[in-house]
Amino acid sequence: QQQVKQSPQSLIVQKGGISIINCAYENTAFDYFPWYQQFPGKGPALLIAIRPDVSEKKEGRFTISFNKSAKQFSLHIMDSQPGDSATYFCAAKTSYDKVIFGPGTSLSVIP
Amino acid sequence: DAGVIQSPRHEVTEMGQEVTLRCKPISGHNSLFWYRQTMMRGLELLIYFNNNVPIDDSGMPEDRFSAKMPNASFSTLKIQPSEPRDSAVYFCASSPGTENTEAFFGQGTRLTVV
Repeated sequence: QQQVKQSPQSLIVQKGGISIINCAYENTAFDYFPWYQQFPGKGPALLIAIRPDVSEKKEGRFTISFNKSAKQFSLHIMDSQPGDSATYFCAAKTSYDKVIFGPGTSLSVIP
Repeated sequence: DAGVIQSPRHEVTEMGQEVTLRCKPISGHNSLFWYRQTMMRGLELLIYFNNNVPIDDSGMPEDRFSAKMPNASFSTLKIQPSEPRDSAVYFCASSPGTENTEAFFGQGTRLTVV
């Protein structure tokens, strides 16, 4: 029940296209859903996060959509750029508790 | 702030040797996490400290692994004896420990056991 599922495992998108990564969870006690971005040789870094009381959060080209009833959330990267090529992890946590990471999605944005 | 500092960045050791990974969390952060990352298993949480006290060590693979946090500014992850299957990137992360706050990751230690 602590698991966070993520798909796809890898994604190739044309420059300027939309990248979409989907995640699902089971534990209804989760109340914070961050997305992390990891470049090769670096540690993951927080990209954007959402709480379940909102259905969407947008920061620049990055948008999280959240469906509480379906226990699903997704990351949309608009106008994808080669610099966005990285591994993306969705995650979930309960207040004051550890972060549970999804398995990750390797995104490649090709010119 | 320099962020979470891990050392060494790379470690190559022979099977059977003891390995110690070190972490300095961000000053003022109350929570510290050790993660292991491999291609096969992704990011696995090994152990989690809050206010220097281990809260959840259910992810520690076996007795060969141990972690300590003697004070708020330092933690170690020790593997004794090391095995080739321990080869991975080990990340330390810290967070303020308050509600819904992000974890800040270090650069990681790439461990290779030969």
